[in-house]
Amino acid sequence: GENVEQHPSTLSVQEGDSAVIKCTYSDSASNYFPWYKQELGKGPQLIIDIRSNVGEKKDQRIAVTLNKTAKHFSLHITETQPEDSAVYFCAPHYTSYDKVIFGPGTSLSVIP
Amino acid sequence: NAGVMQNPRHLVRRRGQEARLRCSPMKGHSHVYWYRQLPEEGLKFMVYLQKENIIDESGMPKERFSAEFPKEGPSILRIQQVVRGDSAAYFCASSPRAREDEQFFGPGTRLTVL
Repeated sequence: GENVEQHPSTLSVQEGDSAVIKCTYSDSASNYFPWYKQELGKGPQLIIDIRSNVGEKKDQRIAVTLNKTAKHFSLHITETQPEDSAVYFCAPHYTSYDKVIFGPGTSLSVIP
Repeated sequence: NAGVMQNPRHLVRRRGQEARLRCSPMKGHSHVYWYRQLPEEGLKFMVYLQKENIIDESGMPKERFSAEFPKEGPSILRIQQVVRGDSAAYFCASSPRAREDEQFFGPGTRLTVL
């Protein structure tokens, strides 16, 4: 079936610390793994994505790692800043169903 | 290049009225998706459309809800005879190709049913 989970559901870190959010999915044929950030009152915005032929991708303070065997991918934010506070969603593309399934979201709070 | 536009941003309707939500995708994008988000919850897929075609409406309630993406003009999500449970934020997203690409989201329409 179609199942996407995120852990943790809420995360609070001190400014400057790192944050890691994990997304697990159930379709072994999935091939596209994006992370979206949603700030209060706004629509989600893509912050980083990875495709199945790559294990890791980095963009400044943000990185995504993919473990296809274990069917999970993780968002890593280093040197967190207050403006990183938002809700983060993973949204793997389920090739078998040709669907994008959004995870339930992780609320990140960065404490100054 | 303007982003995805949605209007109105806020819509208030009384029970039994119709709500009509509009979405103009990014220029060059022919794939449109509608999502519903309840407060403190995630995004629930409703419908996926290409120009003049509904590709996947598996997330849309069978009654009262309809969507279209005509050859000319914006995509429309229509909710007839609204009920209080329809109160939510409705987001539209577009992509240039298929679902395995980045989706560009609009700012959303916040529907309140009194």
